Amino acid sequence: AQRVTQPEKLLSVFKGAPVELKCNYSYSGSPELFWYVQYSRQRLQLLLRHISRESIKGFTADLNKGETSFHLKKPFAQEEDSAMYYCALRTGNTPLVFGKGTRLSVIA
Amino acid sequence: NAGVTQTPKFQVLKTGQSMTLQCAQDMNHNSMYWYRQDPGMGLRLIYYSASEGTTDKGEVPNGYNVSRLNKREFSLRLESAAPSQTSVYFCASSEERHLEQYFGPGTRLTVT
Repeated sequence: AQRVTQPEKLLSVFKGAPVELKCNYSYSGSPELFWYVQYSRQRLQLLLRHISRESIKGFTADLNKGETSFHLKKPFAQEEDSAMYYCALRTGNTPLVFGKGTRLSVIA
Repeated sequence: NAGVTQTPKFQVLKTGQSMTLQCAQDMNHNSMYWYRQDPGMGLRLIYYSASEGTTDKGEVPNGYNVSRLNKREFSLRLESAAPSQTSVYFCASSEERHLEQYFGPGTRLTVT
């Protein structure tokens, strides 16, 4: 079965430090990977998807099929980046599978 | 456009009571979903409806039923609430099957 693993429940970084939120998946075919974000008191929203290869709010993520990873990175963390981040996987015609989430806390 | 709306925002039930969570979307999306969000468990899919007239079980369907009332509305029913169903429930929709999902604001349910 497809699975998404986010190994860190909580990640604390200082403002201005680099951020990397880890995501690994289990699937042997061609996956579609997404990052969703939930800011405090707001609804979940799509942050970025691997297929568009874009940078949103300074975040980027590269799909590494060899390592089955889709880590989310930002070179300089901002306080407003503090949120819950979910990695999600779509394979073929099945619903999204979400990881358990990582709470990012950016310390001033 | 309001996007995805959910009612109620908060609800407290006693064990054994029943209730229906309502979800509506005004984006003319075909697919709709119900998730529950629990600390340390992430988002887990309860049921989904890939298109009007169809519903399918997700990862954790036990204790729930759903109705896709029309293209706009997708309700989630708890027939006999249990404390294990205390959670935050999110509804979501997508234009086509399993593409980018748009989420509602959530319903915080407590079962005592």
